[in-house]
Amino acid sequence: GAGVSQSPRYKVAKRGQDVALRCDPISGHVSLFWYQQALGQGPEFLTYFQNEAQLDKSGLPSDRFFAERPEGSVSTLKIQRTQQEDSAVYLCASSLVASGTYEQYFGPGTRLTVT
Amino acid sequence: RKEVEQDPGPFNVPEGATVAFNCTYSNSASQSFFWYRQDCRKEPKLLMSVYSSGNEDGRFTAQLNRASQYISLLIRDSKLSDSATYLCVVKGGSYIPTFGRGTSLIVHP
Repeated sequence: GAGVSQSPRYKVAKRGQDVALRCDPISGHVSLFWYQQALGQGPEFLTYFQNEAQLDKSGLPSDRFFAERPEGSVSTLKIQRTQQEDSAVYLCASSLVASGTYEQYFGPGTRLTVT
Repeated sequence: RKEVEQDPGPFNVPEGATVAFNCTYSNSASQSFFWYRQDCRKEPKLLMSVYSSGNEDGRFTAQLNRASQYISLLIRDSKLSDSATYLCVVKGGSYIPTFGRGTSLIVHP
């Protein structure tokens, strides 16, 4: 079946531009996570949705970052007024449920480069 | 101190070797533990969950030591295709997994 998809796969933005990154989770997966992965580092948690509810956004680095999942399926991560330090791979992952040992399935990521 | 720590490596081993990685975690209330594999410029994929009793999947063995707060991954008879970054993942009582920075493994002929 279809896995998690993300678009665009690559995005180059000029400093100060707004960007929107899309995530299509596996159908029926309740939980959706966004991560930021810098080169040579592990994924860092940004935010978590259970269905359409954003239960945790403690990892969002600043108020320039905003995420939504209005119908409990597709999610969008928006970054306003991008800065060079926002350059990273943004990974989306979905899971049937969040608790316990349920596996997270990752999308291929969006590689954002801010120039 | 980071919540989850891993030696970034790289571990450079010949084919057929046995290699082991450790990962330490700081939150004693952590409940779930995993190893993920990430190939270069690809997404992480679950390699195996780590159970209290330890578990084995073919050439891979994972163990948990709660007293010393670390998990380990042992790879026997390394293959070229095992070359990747191995990410340690720890979950506490909340739903938020914490990833280590990963350990790089290079298996050479």
